[in-house]
Amino acid sequence: DVKVTQSSRYLVKRTGEKVFLECVQDMDHENMFWYRQDPGLGLRLIYFSYDVKMKEKGDIPEGYSVSREKKERFSLILESASTNQTSMYLCASVGQGKNQPQHFGDGTRLSIL
Amino acid sequence: KNEVEQSPQNLTAQEGEFITINCSYSVGISALHWLQQHPGGGIVSLFMLSSGKKKHGRLIATINIQEKHSSLHITASHPRDSAVYICAVRKGGSEKLVFGKGTKLTVNP
Repeated sequence: DVKVTQSSRYLVKRTGEKVFLECVQDMDHENMFWYRQDPGLGLRLIYFSYDVKMKEKGDIPEGYSVSREKKERFSLILESASTNQTSMYLCASVGQGKNQPQHFGDGTRLSIL
Repeated sequence: KNEVEQSPQNLTAQEGEFITINCSYSVGISALHWLQQHPGGGIVSLFMLSSGKKKHGRLIATINIQEKHSSLHITASHPRDSAVYICAVRKGGSEKLVFGKGTKLTVNP
């Protein structure tokens, strides 16, 4: 079974802090995604990576950056956390061109105080 | 207008009822996904469809490509079916998904 592991289920940080959210997948998937999920807005794509060191902005990249130094790991970085970044963050992965569903992690509920 | 629209937003049912959740989309797609999210939990994929109908246990998913519409049916609903159900479409050759806002289903005993 595919396993997508997010480093924390719950995280509380302060405004202005630099925050790292980590995601690891164990199925050698080329594609990895970071989403945020907010009530009434659904899932929105922050960033997407289709290969090591390759990334593409999603719908809401402002205030975020990403890092993919190894194929299995995709990190989301909040450069200077703000209260409007309080949200549920979900990571997902999928292989390339195999017409398979994305596999999701359990999510990180991040609160910025 | 959102590219993927789901209805209803919220649905409450009694145990045993037949449930239908609808999804309409306005773009060309290569596949449509139905996802399930339990409270506080991660998201799991229920179905991936590009045509016709799929069945898994009490769940049935259908898609009409011409009408750009899909339905998720749950037969003999049970309280453990209570979750948010999310429709998502994969456009063309991209691996990216476009999501509906979800339908929150509550099944009462």
